[in-house]
Amino acid sequence: DAGITQSPRHKVTETGTPVTLRCHQTENHRYMYWYRQDPGHGLRLIHYSYGVKDTDKGEVSDGYSVSRSKTEDFLLTLESATSSQTSVYFCAISEPERTSGGYTDTQYFGPGTRLTVL
Amino acid sequence: RKEVEQDPGPFNVPEGATVAFNCTYSNSASQSFFWYRQDCRKEPKLLMSVYSSGNEDGRFTAQLNRASQYISLLIRDSKLSDSATYLCVVNGPGGSYIPTFGRGTSLIVHP
Repeated sequence: DAGITQSPRHKVTETGTPVTLRCHQTENHRYMYWYRQDPGHGLRLIHYSYGVKDTDKGEVSDGYSVSRSKTEDFLLTLESATSSQTSVYFCAISEPERTSGGYTDTQYFGPGTRLTVL
Repeated sequence: RKEVEQDPGPFNVPEGATVAFNCTYSNSASQSFFWYRQDCRKEPKLLMSVYSSGNEDGRFTAQLNRASQYISLLIRDSKLSDSATYLCVVNGPGGSYIPTFGRGTSLIVHP
């Protein structure tokens, strides 16, 4: 299994409080991603990073910010948590590889963080 | 129209059955394709990549049809342990390492 950890694994917080989730990898992969997964929606990309200090928005980035100061760490911050941000959050990593047909890019996921905002 | 579409199921099959899932994608420039498996309350894990020539891994066969823009997964001789949600994933187009996930197809294998 790829070396990816997420912390905390579970968190309950109150509306309006800031929350930071951490993703840590030991694979030295360039790309890191934050997703949320909710029933009926599947996995949705929040933000991603393609290098240290290089980040970009995904499809559901409102209310979230990220930072990547080191290759191995990718932080997701909810500046002021809302009940709609109750979800399971997954971090993923990847390192694109050239192939004869173009490229391939396999993602490896962390174990997830279950966040409840009351 | 969602970029990657899957039949959510559930597919409810007996042990030993053969079951097939399809996934359609909208971006014809997509370059890499995968099937992931996700067990309840767990993270998605790579099941297999999908190559243009088709590929097989034991009881699992994946195929890609670029002309019709669909990917398939065939599971033969289903086991109880195959019960899970199967996610179709499409990457690209070229230079874009941002994947698009289908919502998943639920498989239940019963005795």
